[in-house]
Amino acid sequence: DAKTTQPTSMDCAEGRAANLPCNHSTISGNEYVYWYRQIHSQGPQYIIHGLKNNETNEMASLIITEDRKSSTLILPHATLRDTAVYYCIVRVAYGTSYDKVIFGPGTSLSVIP
Amino acid sequence: EAQVTQNPRYLITVTGKKLTVTCSQNMNHEYMSWYRQDPGLGLRQIYYSMNVEVTDKGDVPEGYKVSRKEKRNFPLILESPSPNQTSLYFCASSRGTGALNTEAFFGQGTRLTVV
Repeated sequence: DAKTTQPTSMDCAEGRAANLPCNHSTISGNEYVYWYRQIHSQGPQYIIHGLKNNETNEMASLIITEDRKSSTLILPHATLRDTAVYYCIVRVAYGTSYDKVIFGPGTSLSVIP
Repeated sequence: EAQVTQNPRYLITVTGKKLTVTCSQNMNHEYMSWYRQDPGLGLRQIYYSMNVEVTDKGDVPEGYKVSRKEKRNFPLILESPSPNQTSLYFCASSRGTGALNTEAFFGQGTRLTVV
């Protein structure tokens, strides 16, 4: 199963872009990259996902390198409410008989006023 | 409103007393799963279910049971709880897997303490 590595923690000034990196060097061709975040002890919240093309939604942008071995989540204008733990996940799925989701320790993002 | 509902939110119990944490989703999702979260260990998958009557072990299934008799419900059963099962538990559901999957919805969590 592909694993991910992320920095343990990061700081970002309020109003600036927050760029959160993730390495997934063993990712295989049919695996998607997902990002979730968890604010305090609430249930994790989906942010965005992608396979190989860059993706953007109302919350964030996801940049995936051409070799797919790393990606970056971009929060374009971080606010204090974006302070959370951010998880980069590689989703494994094999038809209908096997599915597994691996959460790493994530990156604790602190947005500073 | 689309949601995943867990009950109870908080539970304190004694070692060996069987308990069930319920999970229900109203989105007609096929895929459901249970996680536990512990300090320093992050979120770890306990069990998952691809569809009704289809369940499989995640990373830390020992001491837990699940059932999926109907699509909307996925209860987590601790037959004989022990203190090392003290944790924050999350249930999640999603529409499908692989290319069909968009996002997982998580419940609010159940904080379990076993004394």
